[in-house]
Parts: sequence; C-alpha cells; structure tokens
Amino acid sequence: DGGITQSPKYLFRKEGQNVTLSCEQNLNHDAMYWYRQDPGQGLRLIYYSQIVNDFQKGDIAEGYSVSREKKESFPLTVTSAQKNPTAFYLCASLAVNYGYTFGSGTRLTVV
Amino acid sequence: AQTVTQSQPEMSVQEAETVTLSCTYDTSESDYYLFWYKQPPSRQMILVIRQEAYKQQNATENRFSVNFQKAAKSFSLKISDSQLGDAAMYFCASKRLNNAGNMLTFGGGTRLMVKP
Repeated sequence: DGGITQSPKYLFRKEGQNVTLSCEQNLNHDAMYWYRQDPGQGLRLIYYSQIVNDFQKGDIAEGYSVSREKKESFPLTVTSAQKNPTAFYLCASLAVNYGYTFGSGTRLTVV
Repeated sequence: AQTVTQSQPEMSVQEAETVTLSCTYDTSESDYYLFWYKQPPSRQMILVIRQEAYKQQNATENRFSVNFQKAAKSFSLKISDSQLGDAAMYFCASKRLNNAGNMLTFGGGTRLMVKP
C-alpha cells in the first residue's frame, strides 16, 4: 500500500544535539511538507519542497534544516539552534487538488 | 493570505446524536479547496471530506457531510449518528487552486468528545 512513513515514532534529544527525523513516501508525490504541532494547537509549516533539490522555508523555519535529494525522501533536521524543539512533527505529501496524505508523526522530546 | 478560523475549541455530543463543527475562512480567490481532517488520539491525520469551491453541491461521505456557504465563507462539518470512534481533534483547512507551494492553511482545531 502507498503511504508515508515517519521514523522514529519517539525521539529524545539532549541539549545542544542535532537530530534528524525521517520521512519517506511511495506515493510518487512531488510536493512534501513538514509541520510542527504543539499540544492543543494547530499545525505550523516548517519547510516544504515541491521538487527534488528544491525546498522553501515555511512560517517557523528557524532552527530547522531539510534536504530533498530523492523524490521519496524529505528528512528534517532539528538543530541545536531550535531552542524549544519539544513537539509533535508531521510530514505530509500532496496529491495535487486532492489534499495532503500525512505520516503518523514523530514525537520529539528534549531531555 | 488565506486564514481559517474554528471558533469552537471543544464540542461534545451524545453517542448516536448529531453534531456540527464550525469553520470560516477568508480568501480572495474564487476557486479553492476545503478540507476537514480528523486527528484521533493516535495523532494520525486522516482526511474526512473535501469540497471544491466551484461545486454547489455539498460533499458527503457516509455519516459526514458539509454545509458549504460560499458567500458567507463558511464550511461546517456535520457528523450524524456520532460514534465513540469519532472522538478526536478536527481541523478545517483550505487550499488555493494554484498557490505557490500548494500549501494547505489549517484552522486551530476543535476537540470533539463523544459521550456514551
């Protein structure tokens, strides 16, 4: 079955450490997105990519970085510059004019 | 820029009854898409229903239907015969037909509780 796989499901980060969240899709979608969700809140856009080797900042890109070397993969790195990284992270891809398909998310906690 | 507003942070409904979740949006476009997503406790976001703005007919998916009022920029979700499994966060979202980036704009969400 086609879908989006996010890993790991839970991730713990020490202060000053960079961590990378994985997002892989086999839907053959061009566009992919990363969102952050804080408790009881809506979704805020971090980065998006419409095509391989190209990506754009969203509303809250500071402290995050991405790459898009393959169509199927859009990893997100949470850098030490992100001062409050504890949140739930959702990856999505877009079926044009249909809507997003989401992964199951990664819960990141700073320890 | 588009904005999406969900004015009800929380709603509750008795099992088997009907509930309506509100959503309003602001756009200058004439063609766009509207969506309702469900986020259960597992936190997986699931597409519930979508509506194309150029279609007059309200979308329906089994027990879920929308009341799309284009002039009022309103897009409410009606859940009929509510079930315990409907308990979740519900997010309304909009997408311009041809926006750069093809991003969806989300509302802040409504938490729906279903009472047995």
